[in-house]
Amino acid sequence: GAGVSQSPRYKVAKRGQDVALRCDPISGHVSLFWYQQALGQGPEFLTYFQNEAQLDKSGLPSDRFFAERPEGSVSTLKIQRTQQEDSAVYLCASSLGGPLDQETQYFGPGTRLLVL
Amino acid sequence: AQRVTQPEKLLSVFKGAPVELKCNYSYSGSPELFWYVQYSRQRLQLLLRHISRESIKGFTADLNKGETSFHLKKPFAQEEDSAMYYCALNTGNQFYFGTGTSLTVIP
Repeated sequence: GAGVSQSPRYKVAKRGQDVALRCDPISGHVSLFWYQQALGQGPEFLTYFQNEAQLDKSGLPSDRFFAERPEGSVSTLKIQRTQQEDSAVYLCASSLGGPLDQETQYFGPGTRLLVL
Repeated sequence: AQRVTQPEKLLSVFKGAPVELKCNYSYSGSPELFWYVQYSRQRLQLLLRHISRESIKGFTADLNKGETSFHLKKPFAQEEDSAMYYCALNTGNQFYFGTGTSLTVIP
């Protein structure tokens, strides 16, 4: 079966624009994670969903960032009024169970966002 | 506070030589640690996790709670091991990744 997919793969936005990044997890996976990876850094946790419930959003850097997973499958990360410091690769990962189950996280290819 | 530290950004070894990628963590609870690898032009993928105590592609990692370390080791490096390696800590709802070590195996 297909792995985690993300779209678009690349996005160029002008400063101040809103963007929406999509993640299609592996079918049946309960958990979904979003990460932000700046150049030369490791992935940084943004938010976590268990099914449709957003259980942790403590990593979202500002209230311009919003994530949803309304039906417990596809998730969208929205960034409003983008700033240059938002430029990064946004990674999505899904796992069969929750983090406490120590299930393997499967990562998508990422969306590379460049804000000009 | 940095939860996961990987002190080496770049590491080069010759083919057949032993390799050790260092990882130290900071966490007061019971740690769950992982190594992830990203080969060129591929997505991030799990290499191994401490709870499994397994060896994957010849790599092993032992959790040392006294030294708060989870170093990744391989006795004989291969060219195909060249990649970016990330150590990660699971604290429950959150995963913390290190900044990564880029390993180059010289033929």
